[in-house]
Amino acid sequence: AQSVAQPEDQVNVAEGNPLTVKCTYSVSGNPYLFWYVQYPNRGLQFLLKYITGDNLVKGSYGFEAEFNKSQTSFHLKKPSALVSDSALYFCAVRDPGYGNKLVFGAGTILRVKS
Amino acid sequence: DAGVTQSPTHLIKTRGQQVTLRCSPKSGHDTVSWYQQALGQGPQFIFQYYEEEERQRGNFPDRFSGHQFPNYSSELNVNALLLGDSALYLCASSFLKETGDTGELFFGEGSRLTVL
Repeated sequence: AQSVAQPEDQVNVAEGNPLTVKCTYSVSGNPYLFWYVQYPNRGLQFLLKYITGDNLVKGSYGFEAEFNKSQTSFHLKKPSALVSDSALYFCAVRDPGYGNKLVFGAGTILRVKS
Repeated sequence: DAGVTQSPTHLIKTRGQQVTLRCSPKSGHDTVSWYQQALGQGPQFIFQYYEEEERQRGNFPDRFSGHQFPNYSSELNVNALLLGDSALYLCASSFLKETGDTGELFFGEGSRLTVL
């Protein structure tokens, strides 16, 4: 069965510093991986995805993620954090061939302080 | 271009009642999925509708049912409500025919259900 782990409930970073939000996954084959962001009382917004190809994926709002097959990880990164990046971040995995169902992690709260 | 729209945004029900939530997908999308997001948790997949049929289903009881209409909009029905059904219900759409299972889902703002 597919699963996603986000080991940190919360990540704190100072504005202007680089940020990393961690994600590890488990699927039976090659995974499709996604990152979404959720602001308070809002739905989820798509940030980026990895399907195949280059292990470094660039997405919206300056975010990027690095796919590491050997470590089964897909960590979200940004070189310089903004206060407005403060939100709840979800990593999700899809098992190819099983439709477009997503399995989400529990989420990581990102707090960026000025 | 309208995104995914859901209604109502908030509602309060009592145990044992029934509820219907509605979703209109993003323009051009043909597939609707429903997710339940309990407080402090990640969204959990309920089911997916494509071509007016339920194509995939998560680990939810039969009290949860749905429907997709010819215009691709969808409803989620929950019968015999329990306190544990209190959650944010998210609708997501995609263009399955074009993107297959590589496409991202576009989410609505959700319907927050409180069961008393």
